[in-house]
Amino acid sequence: QQPVQSPQAVILREGEDAVINCSSSKALYSVHWYRQKHGEAPVFLMILLKGGEQKGHEKISASFNEKKQQSSLYLTASQLSYSGTYFCGTVFPFGNEKLTFGTGTRLTIIP
Amino acid sequence: ETGVTQTPRHLVMGMTNKKSLKCEQHLGHNAMYWYKQSAKKPLELMFVYNFKEQTENNSVPSRFSPECPNSSHLFLHLHTLQPEDSALYLCASSQGTYNEQFFGPGTRLTVL
Repeated sequence: QQPVQSPQAVILREGEDAVINCSSSKALYSVHWYRQKHGEAPVFLMILLKGGEQKGHEKISASFNEKKQQSSLYLTASQLSYSGTYFCGTVFPFGNEKLTFGTGTRLTIIP
Repeated sequence: ETGVTQTPRHLVMGMTNKKSLKCEQHLGHNAMYWYKQSAKKPLELMFVYNFKEQTENNSVPSRFSPECPNSSHLFLHLHTLQPEDSALYLCASSQGTYNEQFFGPGTRLTVL
């Protein structure tokens, strides 16, 4: 079953912060985050593993709450280059469809 | 060539045609993937290969037939497709399954 992302879309001014959430109805093994700009391939941001620490990359970081079966992506002091659609992918350790993606969150940064 | 390449970039085919999509990765990875991306739908994982062996087939119709002759090449053979199969087909690779994936630019497929 696919994870649920929220919000579906968000518009920010340059410099503002954003949080994108990814929730699952099943216990997770790991969560993947990717960004896709219009007309381009998805680009890897980070993977969070069960029991792992919060990850970060420059002004983009993420957390993984195992109890809530939820991951959040934090974008701090957003830049124009952050615009795109953000996808979370959840990995389950057993059964079919081990890796499933959410429908994405479209982020638009305006000057 | 670097990264993950896909050919062709665009393909238009009739429902009775047979065509193939090609993916090649130049990263030395051992896992490769096929995804389908349709408008307003989640990215759908279709097939997973690890060291040339198919490890996952996510209930994909038999009109899609994957082939992985070696760890660097992945094909998706298409026959008797339906209009609803029109989508962007993405290939990806990673070192180990479900690790950081590198995506190709995709093939935009239109089925008439």
